Parts: sequence; C-alpha cells; structure tokens
Amino acid sequence: NAGVTQTPKFRILKIGQSMTLQCTQDMNHNYMYWYRQDPGMGLKLIYYSVGAGITDKGEVPNGYNVSRSTTEDFPLRLELAAPSQTSVYFCASSYAGTETSGNTIYFGEGSWLTVV
Amino acid sequence: DQQVKQNSPSLSVQEGRISILNCDYTNSMFDYFLWYKKYPAEGPTFLISISSIKDKNEDGRFTVFLNKSAKHLSLHIVPSQPGDSAVYFCAASDSGGGADGLTFGKGTHLIIQP
Repeated sequence: NAGVTQTPKFRILKIGQSMTLQCTQDMNHNYMYWYRQDPGMGLKLIYYSVGAGITDKGEVPNGYNVSRSTTEDFPLRLELAAPSQTSVYFCASSYAGTETSGNTIYFGEGSWLTVV
Repeated sequence: DQQVKQNSPSLSVQEGRISILNCDYTNSMFDYFLWYKKYPAEGPTFLISISSIKDKNEDGRFTVFLNKSAKHLSLHIVPSQPGDSAVYFCAASDSGGGADGLTFGKGTHLIIQP
C-alpha cells in the first residue's frame, strides 16, 4: 500500500535553479496539499488542490507553482530557487471531511531540499 | 500570530508512566482536531482525532481530550513506551471539509526514558 509517494527524497540546488518535486497518491483522494517544515517550526501550507484542474494558494505560496492535471498527481515547482526555500517538503492528501469526521490528512515521507 | 500553540518544545517521561501533551488554540472556528506523530526523516503519521461535538476520544493507549471553553486539547499516552519517542504535532481545521488544510502547532518532542 503506497499511499502518498514523493520524489526525490534529497536534493541540493544552486541559487537560481529550478526543479519539480513529484507527488502521487493511490488512495483516490480528491484533496492534495504541499507543506513545508522549517527547523523547530510546524508545517506551513504552500498550495492545495480540491480536485483535478483546481489549485489554491496556502499560507506561503511565493516562489512556488503547482498543477493538478490528474486526481493522482500534484507536482510542486520551484522557480529560481533561493536559500529561503531550504526546507523539508511534505506532500499530503485527504478525502473531503464532514462536520463530524473532519478530514484526516495523510503525508508522504518528505523531500529534503537544500539551496546553496 | 500562532493559532495553534504547543508551549512545551520537549517532554521527558519515564517508560510505563503517563505522557500528557498539551495544545492550545485561539481560532474559535476550529471544529476538528488531530494529533500527528513524526519520527526523524519520515513524514507525519496520523495518530488520533476529535470533533468539536465530543470532549474525549480514545484509541488504545491514546486518548485525546477537548475543552472547548478553554480552547485546549491534550493527548494522553498510557502507558508510555520507548517507541513513543517522537515529535507530536497538534493540528486543527475550521470546517468539516477542511479544503484549505490543517493549521499545525510547532510540535513537542516526547522522550521516553527507560
């Protein structure tokens, strides 16, 4: 049972380079998310999507772009990488919640990105 | 301004005793609360949740208590085991659909001592 799979696990980028973090889920979840976690901090939402073709900005979207062409995939693109984007990135997915059950989010293993 | 606060960055508990992790929130619109556990170099894993219509939810050794009037929730682990050593995140959402994701606290590092 794969769940949420993200690649690469580790990556070192030079300032100004671009890259895409890949994310795929096999749980047929309609919601998908990208979070980042900086040392000693909680997770902050970058972008989210409620379904194919629909994306929205989260708390910290600057410097990132996303697309959602299929239910399964939700890649995160970093354009012109900056040292401030050095972080751990987590892709996640969930069903839509209800008033009594909410929506439990399931996370991938994480991608460690360093910009030098 | 932090909407979800975990004021203890770390907590040390002896094996076999009770671990109590605390979380406070400021947004009165939050109606669904979760606890996640995270080991180093891994993603957070869902542990237990509670809806605002309840004040307690139990799952094996883990119990979450919600005090809406105080805007406070806590996670109790009884008995604590070495494998419970991890960072625990409190999270909250403000709608049943939760389309805009969860708001997380900064985490509490729980250390279980033999």
